[in-house]
Amino acid sequence: SYEVTQPPSLSVSPGQTASITCSGDKLGDKYASWYQQKPGQSPVLVIYQDTKRPSGIPERFSGSNSGNTATLTISETQAMDEADYYCQTWDSRTVVFGGGTKVTVL
Amino acid sequence: QVQLQESGPGLVKPSATLSLTCTVSGASIRTYYWSWIRQPPGKGLEWIGDISYSESTSYNPSLKSRVTISGDTSKNHFSLQLNSVTAADTAIYYCARLTAAAGSNKYMDVWGRGTTVTVSS
Repeated sequence: SYEVTQPPSLSVSPGQTASITCSGDKLGDKYASWYQQKPGQSPVLVIYQDTKRPSGIPERFSGSNSGNTATLTISETQAMDEADYYCQTWDSRTVVFGGGTKVTVL
Repeated sequence: QVQLQESGPGLVKPSATLSLTCTVSGASIRTYYWSWIRQPPGKGLEWIGDISYSESTSYNPSLKSRVTISGDTSKNHFSLQLNSVTAADTAIYYCARLTAAAGSNKYMDVWGRGTTVTVSS
């Protein structure tokens, strides 16, 4: 079965750029989506179709996907961006989630 | 505005069947795909399966032998049944709308608030 891998954690200073990676075999040939989940809340879609932002998601969230790696980039990171982030793709009729990356803003 | 609401027992006994319902408002389940996802305490998201507008289903291979997802268009809701539960099935269970575009372009754009299910005697 297809798998994607994320780093478990990432620390970033306020105002700096956070880059969260998601790796999988030829992931660039598939579409990737990203979800933000804050403690006690449901996940929220922040990027779909590799690079698109749903309505209401700030422009500081961007995505890319090439080769074996999809990346979620948070520019000018704010304290409110502290959360768990999950990548997701689809393969052989199954939805596949990464294990999640905890982003700490300090 | 599309909204999803999970409902069902919060406590299930080991070896019993877990049954949850997701009621959809603001959209018909005759459109889109509809998914179940779970999250064990302190862990990541796990896709359970989904049902399409034509009632075809797909399941996580690791759960396939125990899972059934069905839809009721008259009530505009879809349901999850998970058989032979153990403590490992304790989790927050979410339902979500799955937007299924071409190929692998599939993502969950609307989520319910989730419901906590504990498996314990």
